[in-house]
Amino acid sequence: KAGVTQTPRYLIKTRGQQVTLSCSPISGHRSVSWYQQTPGQGLQFLFEYFSETQRNKGNFPGRFSGRQFSNSRSEMNVSTLELGDSALYLCASRLTENTEAFFGQGTRLTVV
Amino acid sequence: DQQVKQNSPSLSVQEGRISILNCDYTNSMFDYFLWYKKYPAEGPTFLISISSIKDKNEDGRFTVFLNKSAKHLSLHIVPSQPGDSAVYFCAASPMLNSGGSNYKLTFGKGTLLTVNP
Repeated sequence: KAGVTQTPRYLIKTRGQQVTLSCSPISGHRSVSWYQQTPGQGLQFLFEYFSETQRNKGNFPGRFSGRQFSNSRSEMNVSTLELGDSALYLCASRLTENTEAFFGQGTRLTVV
Repeated sequence: DQQVKQNSPSLSVQEGRISILNCDYTNSMFDYFLWYKKYPAEGPTFLISISSIKDKNEDGRFTVFLNKSAKHLSLHIVPSQPGDSAVYFCAASPMLNSGGSNYKLTFGKGTLLTVNP
């Protein structure tokens, strides 16, 4: 069974640009969450989607947005990139709300 | 407002000894707890979980203990191995049917475990 797949693995963007990250969850999983990891800050929750609906949103500016498609694949978009957006972005999928989340390898975004 | 706290940023133990990683939480709605292990440049890997109806869950070398009254949980690794060296994250969420729709996992900031040969 394939795990959670995130693309691309690495990305370098310039300040002011926008970026779209992609996540394919484990087959059958309908919940997809996104997290940002920066040094010393742990995993900061961005948002969670379930059956194409955003269910929860973390404390991030509106520049961060996402969506989920009918096949449960999800995308995350960051507009007007800032240097502080440089981080490892992690996607996780869950079978149901009260089961463990499985993470992808992450996308390392560097903003220069 | 940090609802899940891992107060030790790092821990160093000798190979073969016990590693004890601690986690405290403040949200009384949390009753499902998980531990994850993370190597650099990789996604976290699920290790073990526990729900509030239990106070202990064991899986091989890994045991999680939950003290609900103290809002505290710990992960014990026995015996510790050099390959266990990684960052360990504690996470928590409300269980299904607890009301509302906020089942998101809230993570602590992690503890870097180093197991010395």
